[in-house]
Amino acid sequence: SQQGEEDPQALSIQEGENATMNCSYKTSINNLQWYRQNSGRGLVHLILIRSNEREKHSGRLRVTLDTSKKSSSLLITASRAADTASYFCANNNAGNMLTFGGGTRLMVKP
Amino acid sequence: GAVVSQHPSRVICKSGTSVKIECRSLDFQATTMFWYRQFPKQSLMLMATSNEGSKATYEQGVEKDKFLINHASLTLSTLTVTSAHPEDSSFYICSVMGSTDTQYFGPGTRLTVL
Repeated sequence: SQQGEEDPQALSIQEGENATMNCSYKTSINNLQWYRQNSGRGLVHLILIRSNEREKHSGRLRVTLDTSKKSSSLLITASRAADTASYFCANNNAGNMLTFGGGTRLMVKP
Repeated sequence: GAVVSQHPSRVICKSGTSVKIECRSLDFQATTMFWYRQFPKQSLMLMATSNEGSKATYEQGVEKDKFLINHASLTLSTLTVTSAHPEDSSFYICSVMGSTDTQYFGPGTRLTVL
């Protein structure tokens, strides 16, 4: 499965600031999902946005999807030190398989 | 969402030995499970799709005779790394396909081959 791309690869911000991560993919999709991974742990599902949706909110998370540009963004508002983790987008196409992006390592400094 | 466990969480073995990793879906009957491999500071790469009661589907470049997958029940899939070598050292993660297009991931198994 070919990976998509994420940028930035690493992001360091102060607590309280917003963090924006971008993701691009290559094929048509059924949906796009964002996951979080703490160091050395499994992945936690954050949010799913379907191909016919443009924006979705969940708490401090806001996800956008632009299927014409094959891109998505994840915005974390009012970041906290506990948000420090790696964030991955994953697109879901045929067969319910997920193709993961390269990930963004987010560091939130207290 | 589904609760997924993996065992062991960490294993160190000698080169040439085989290692079995278990993935259990604790509260969800999983006809489909996925096995991923993740090298340090990299993303997850899908290795294979495990189907209950049938053969696994392997991704291109993944040796099916080296990475044996058995999905004998709706709650358990196993991945056996046969004749492990140092280059097989990695973080192996399984996931369960939920009912809403979401995958639920296990906590991962760190394999170190000496």
